[in-house]
Amino acid sequence: KAGVTQTPRYLIKTRGQQVTLSCSPISGHRSVSWYQQTPGQGLQFLFEYFSETQRNKGNFPGRFSGRQFSNSRSEMNVSTLELGDSALYLCASSLGAGGNSGNTIYFGEGSWLTVV
Amino acid sequence: QKEVEQNSGPLSVPEGAIASLNCTYSDRVSQSFFWYRQYSGKSPELIMSIYSNGDKEDGRFTAQLNKASQYVSLLIRDSQPSDSATYLCAVTPGAAGNKLTFGGGTRVLVKP
Repeated sequence: KAGVTQTPRYLIKTRGQQVTLSCSPISGHRSVSWYQQTPGQGLQFLFEYFSETQRNKGNFPGRFSGRQFSNSRSEMNVSTLELGDSALYLCASSLGAGGNSGNTIYFGEGSWLTVV
Repeated sequence: QKEVEQNSGPLSVPEGAIASLNCTYSDRVSQSFFWYRQYSGKSPELIMSIYSNGDKEDGRFTAQLNKASQYVSLLIRDSQPSDSATYLCAVTPGAAGNKLTFGGGTRVLVKP
């Protein structure tokens, strides 16, 4: 059974550009979440989608956006990139809607974004 | 106060010993609790999940949850050099959703 797949794995962008990252969840999983990891701030929640609806959103500026498609695949977009956006972006998937016990959450390998 | 707190370490343990990691959380209605292991430059790997009070064992790992004390711990028995990594404690809220709130992680060093 394939795990969570993220593309691209590594990318370098210039300040002011935009970037789109893609995530394919584990087959059958309907919930996709995105996280940003930096050395200074640790792992921080960006947003979560379930059945194409954004259910939770973290404390990030509007430059960070995402969406989920009917096949549960998800994309996140960062516009007007800043140097501080350099980070590991992680996608996580889970089977159910959460809010109860037994809902395990798995991470992909991440997308390393460097903004220069 | 941070929502999820862990000692940053490093926690240095000799090979073969038990490593004990602790985590406290502030949201009393948190539902699910996870321990992830993260090697440098890699993504978090799920090693344990626990949802009810008590102990849960999986191989060399034992997770312990005490909701009354808002405390979750991880024991690594017979520690190996390959266990050297950062261990992240994460919790999900009581409300619907899969939002994980992470602690800062505990770095573990297992010395041969």
